[in-house]
Amino acid sequence: GQQLNQSPQSMFIQEGEDVSMNCTSSSIFNTWLWYKQDPGEGPVLLIALYKAGELTSNGRLTAQFGITRKDSFLNISASIPSDVGIYFCAARGSGTYKYIFGTGTRLKVLA
Amino acid sequence: EPEVTQTPSHQVTQMGQEVILRCVPISNHLYFYWYRQILGQKVEFLVSFYNNEISEKSEIFDDRFSVERPDGSNFTLKIRSTKLEDSAMYFCASSEDTVYEQYFGPGTRLTVT
Repeated sequence: GQQLNQSPQSMFIQEGEDVSMNCTSSSIFNTWLWYKQDPGEGPVLLIALYKAGELTSNGRLTAQFGITRKDSFLNISASIPSDVGIYFCAARGSGTYKYIFGTGTRLKVLA
Repeated sequence: EPEVTQTPSHQVTQMGQEVILRCVPISNHLYFYWYRQILGQKVEFLVSFYNNEISEKSEIFDDRFSVERPDGSNFTLKIRSTKLEDSAMYFCASSEDTVYEQYFGPGTRLTVT
């Protein structure tokens, strides 16, 4: 079945550093979403990507829809303590209603 | 800002019992979904619902599961004959259209004992 490989699994960074994470797959997708999840809460949508090659920003967050439609990355600039959490990519292929989720990147920020 | 709401936040039930998880999607959204997340794992799709019909379901969504939109605002997930392995966070989501992003509720933690 379709799978999203998300990396890194976890990362510790210093406050103020930039962060980069990505999702890859062997399957082609039409939409990529990036979510952040805090413990015990639901995923919160950060960025939505609809076209191959699209680069979209939301404040300090920037995400890109890979040109091959098989991958996406998320960058966070100048990290702050509230960036702590688990970041998930999610992707949807053609002819389906469901999003497939990646395994998550756990981000910890050291003040 | 409109949001998806879910009740209860935590449900404990005994194995074999029936549970109903409730959701109020964003008001102008037409497509509704249930996902689940076993502790420490990724989010998994269960079912999508549009125009009072199931439009897609996963292998997890077996015949013990059912969904319903009993009125104009609520969307429910019923699990009959609950099993220990049903213990998970259950998230409701909604979207304006299938091609658009899905917004998630805060989840219901289901514990089957």
